[in-house]
Amino acid sequence: GDSVTQMEGPVTLSEEAFLTINCTYTATGYPSLFWYVQYPGEGLQLLLKATKADDKGSNKGFEATYRKETTSFHLEKGSVQVSDSAVYFCALYSGAGSYQLTFGKGTKLSVIP
Amino acid sequence: DAGITQSPRYKITETGRQVTLMCHQTWSHSYMFWYRQDLGHGLRLIYYSAAADITDKGEVPDGYVVSRSKTENFPLTLESATRSQTSVYFCASSESRTGNYGYTFGSGTRLTVV
Repeated sequence: GDSVTQMEGPVTLSEEAFLTINCTYTATGYPSLFWYVQYPGEGLQLLLKATKADDKGSNKGFEATYRKETTSFHLEKGSVQVSDSAVYFCALYSGAGSYQLTFGKGTKLSVIP
Repeated sequence: DAGITQSPRYKITETGRQVTLMCHQTWSHSYMFWYRQDLGHGLRLIYYSAAADITDKGEVPDGYVVSRSKTENFPLTLESATRSQTSVYFCASSESRTGNYGYTFGSGTRLTVV
């Protein structure tokens, strides 16, 4: 079945540091890939997505490239801010018989001034 | 207000009691979902619905019941609450059958079973 593996956290960075959160997946066919962000006390919000190989999703300074050869969708940001502190979830949709997204377990990011 | 609304935001209930978590969306999205979020497990799908009167089980459906008599509402009922059902519950909706637009999530209900 479909699965998503994210690097385990928590991740603690200083403000303006470079961020990478690794995400790899297993899926049938050609899935769509997503990153969601969850700020404290809130629901998940879609951060960015990519629907085919080599697509790059981007939003709010975050980027992720769909790499089919390595089955990866790593999240990056060049300079993090304190306001980026949140839990980040990688997810995929393969359409293999259901309508559901499959999520990774989440990576908690803390950015310190 | 437009969006997806969950209620209550917090709930404490006793073991064995029935409790219903409400979810209401204003976009007329066809697809709706219930997830639970637990430390170490991430999000796990409980039930989903493709349209009014069409529901199906997800990964962890045992002990839960759903209904969808109207497109905009998708309540989740715990028939006889157990401590293992202490969790944060999220409702979500999607306009797309393929999921390519992603989901929109509610703010969650934190349920504690004592």
